[in-house]
Amino acid sequence: GAVVSQHPSWVICKSGTSVKIECRSLDFQATTMFWYRQFPKQSLMLMATSNEGSKATYEQGVEKDKFLINHASLTLSTLTVTSAHPEDSSFYICSARVGSKDTEAFFGQGTRLTVV
Amino acid sequence: GNSVTQMEGPVTLSEEAFLTINCTYTATGYPSLFWYVQYPGEGLQLLLKATKADDKGSNKGFEATYRKETTSFHLEKGSVQVSDSAVYFCALSGGGSEKLVFGKGTKLTVNP
Repeated sequence: GAVVSQHPSWVICKSGTSVKIECRSLDFQATTMFWYRQFPKQSLMLMATSNEGSKATYEQGVEKDKFLINHASLTLSTLTVTSAHPEDSSFYICSARVGSKDTEAFFGQGTRLTVV
Repeated sequence: GNSVTQMEGPVTLSEEAFLTINCTYTATGYPSLFWYVQYPGEGLQLLLKATKADDKGSNKGFEATYRKETTSFHLEKGSVQVSDSAVYFCALSGGGSEKLVFGKGTKLTVNP
């Protein structure tokens, strides 16, 4: 299957700093990319949906100024957590899809963010 | 908005037992429905899907049928194995939105 590479796999940062997470589709061009936050007990919350070259669509309750998403090309999307705080500590997962709603989405391995 | 409700676990079964994980959805129009699986230490991967009413998705002995009349997409397997231990997520896309939204996940543990 297609490969989505997410980097870094884990990161520790100080409170108040910013962290960038990259999501790359290695062998396909992604029409749409999704960013999720996975909570304890596995719940997967959609944060935003992005299409190449356009602004991301954020879910209700997700601060767009805090979680900056850039989808600069068909193979790369980035999530920047700005002015991180301990409550932002979580597991962040990206996903990429080619085509429409009927098609399979491919997932990165996730990034464990710890803010100290 | 679109949403998915799935049976909360954890579910613990003995090998060769029958498995059902319930999933119902709320959406406008005609969404596509998916089951994704997350094995320990791995990323999510597609298990099966169905894109229209009455379609049955199947893979690795798992099956799910898209039931529009009951807005359901229950996952079943006749005889589970230890290697099926994982977290299973029901998901939908479409129905007026390109978003891919997930249920809360169900952790399955199969004991030998």
